[in-house]
Amino acid sequence: ILNVEQSPQSLHVQEGDSTNFTCSFPSSNFYALHWYRWETAKSPEALFVMTLNGDEKKKGRISATLNTKEGYSYLYIKGSQPEDSATYLCAPSDAGNNRKLIWGLGTSLAVNP
Amino acid sequence: GAVVSQHPSWVICKSGTSVKIECRSLDFQATTMFWYRQFPKQSLMLMATSNEGSKATYEQGVEKDKFLINHASLTLSTLTVTSAHPEDSSFYICSVFRGISYEQYFGPGTRLTVT
Repeated sequence: ILNVEQSPQSLHVQEGDSTNFTCSFPSSNFYALHWYRWETAKSPEALFVMTLNGDEKKKGRISATLNTKEGYSYLYIKGSQPEDSATYLCAPSDAGNNRKLIWGLGTSLAVNP
Repeated sequence: GAVVSQHPSWVICKSGTSVKIECRSLDFQATTMFWYRQFPKQSLMLMATSNEGSKATYEQGVEKDKFLINHASLTLSTLTVTSAHPEDSSFYICSVFRGISYEQYFGPGTRLTVT
């Protein structure tokens, strides 16, 4: 896996808006897809790990889906809150080395109160 | 998850000196830790995999003699930037690998500035 793309690069929404981001990755040799949330001055926090095509994971107002055949994952935030403001990173790993994550640049989300 | 600390959180050093960064797994015995580096406006890049009791595995392009990694216990890995130069100025962050879930738990990172 060489190239991970995340879009949009940044996003400004109002409190209460729902939003979603995209992570695209080469589908060949895929093993797992990780989503992390990284708040300024804090440690990146693991959100989800998904491995199977069609996987859907949910944690509170945040959910994610995975399409391994076409090589993309969506992250959804329902009813955004100011505390959701962070950079959201995705990182796939491949079957050749499933411990090594290849990181995207992230989507920077700012939620205005 | 696992709680990971990193020290120092930021450091300024002069060119030619060496700097040691510590990564501690506070509540989990980690046989594997990872060291990453992030330059401004770039993604996290894996530098090396730190293995407890054995030599680290370095990624292509990372000089093992310049970035010394020691993982002498299940709770501590250190990264020493030797003879630091301004181009080594970066954000260094470590993670603990949890094999069951394949998740990584990160420290807060260290900002290194070499003058």
